Amino acid sequence: AQKVTQAQTEISVVEKEDVTLDCVYETRDTTYYLFWYKQPPSGELVFLIRRNSFDEQNEISGRYSWNFQKSTSSFNFTITASQVVDSAVYFCALSEDYGGSQGNLIFGKGTKLSVKP
Amino acid sequence: KAGVTQTPRYLIKTRGQQVTLSCSPISGHRSVSWYQQTPGQGLQFLFEYFSETQRNKGNFPGRFSGRQFSNSRSEMNVSTLELGDSALYLCASSLAAGDFSYEQYFGPGTRLTVT
Repeated sequence: AQKVTQAQTEISVVEKEDVTLDCVYETRDTTYYLFWYKQPPSGELVFLIRRNSFDEQNEISGRYSWNFQKSTSSFNFTITASQVVDSAVYFCALSEDYGGSQGNLIFGKGTKLSVKP
Repeated sequence: KAGVTQTPRYLIKTRGQQVTLSCSPISGHRSVSWYQQTPGQGLQFLFEYFSETQRNKGNFPGRFSGRQFSNSRSEMNVSTLELGDSALYLCASSLAAGDFSYEQYFGPGTRLTVT
């Protein structure tokens, strides 16, 4: 069965610290997609990144970077030089290839990140 | 480009009543998915609509239903409301133009409180 585990429930850091959010997934499929979303206090989920199972290249976008390792079924997210505006709940999600069906994102429980000034 | 819009943003209903929530996807997006978010269960997939057809459904009772119109706008309905239906209901739209999974863009949600 598909499953996403975010073992860190809450993380608190001081501004400018680097922080890594862990995500471990389970799936039987060979084709699947992984996502990260950010949910600030306003409640709206903000898309951060999508990665398919055939692309294991790490990605960097500004202060954000993602490390995808199929060997350990992990898709970790690192924020470098964290800022107060990064405070939010971060969700990792998994979607299997249903032949075009976009639904059924399987979300982890989320990691609440608090960045203190 | 306007984002996903959901109406109403907040709703208070009484047990036993029914409720209809509305979602307008991003222009050009043909897939609309609905999710329920609660503190206990987290984010759970309800259903997905594409071209007015339900393409995928999560593990929710039949009291939860939805539909999609020809302009891709979607509504979801919950009948015979229970206290446990209190949640943030999120709608997401996606391009869904091919045979693979696109990112979904979420609306601000409708906060439903059942008393």
